[in-house]
Amino acid sequence: AQTVTQSQPEMSVQEAETVTLSCTYDTSESNYYLFWYKQPPSRQMILVIRQEAYKQQNATENRFSVNFQKAAKSFSLKISDSQLGDTAMYFCAFLSIQGAQKLVFGQGTRLTINP
Amino acid sequence: GVTQSPTHLIKTRGQQVTLRCSSQSGHNTVSWYQQALGQGPQFIFQYYEEEERQRGNFPDRFSGHQFPNYSSELNVNALLLGDSALYLCASCFGTGGTEAFFGQGTRLTVV
Repeated sequence: AQTVTQSQPEMSVQEAETVTLSCTYDTSESNYYLFWYKQPPSRQMILVIRQEAYKQQNATENRFSVNFQKAAKSFSLKISDSQLGDTAMYFCAFLSIQGAQKLVFGQGTRLTINP
Repeated sequence: GVTQSPTHLIKTRGQQVTLRCSSQSGHNTVSWYQQALGQGPQFIFQYYEEEERQRGNFPDRFSGHQFPNYSSELNVNALLLGDSALYLCASCFGTGGTEAFFGQGTRLTVV
């Protein structure tokens, strides 16, 4: 079974700084998807960024980018020029493309952006 | 988008509860997740075209249904204190799940 681990329960940075959230996962599959979701106090999970494992190029979405290291099974999220609205819980998630079509989430990282 | 009702709910131990999810237009797959306080969501089950397609490690007290309009219900019988959690519904088209959209969740408190 796949597992996802986020080793940073909480992080705090100043507005406009760059912050990196860590995620490692365990799987025996060669093709899969990885996601970062944001969950603000409104509770709704919002997709931040998606990475397909067979694509070597790291995904980028505006201020958000990932560092995908397939051999190391590492998938970190970098937020550049952080904004107050980035304050939220961030979850790393794994999706297999075979077998059970379910998202496997990490425990989350609470990110606080300070003014 | 995906809408869930109610937003908050308080039930007594031993009671039964039904949570509802209206999927995004055009989405025929609905998945349910349980998110305990301070934890990541855990997969309960997935419905595709009105059939339960996948199930996570949850007891039979948790059951569901998907209607012809693809909306869905989650039923929990014989509630336990440990069932207190945020219940999230996610919809997508097909069974790939790479474009899943989440609702705002139902906060269930069992007392």
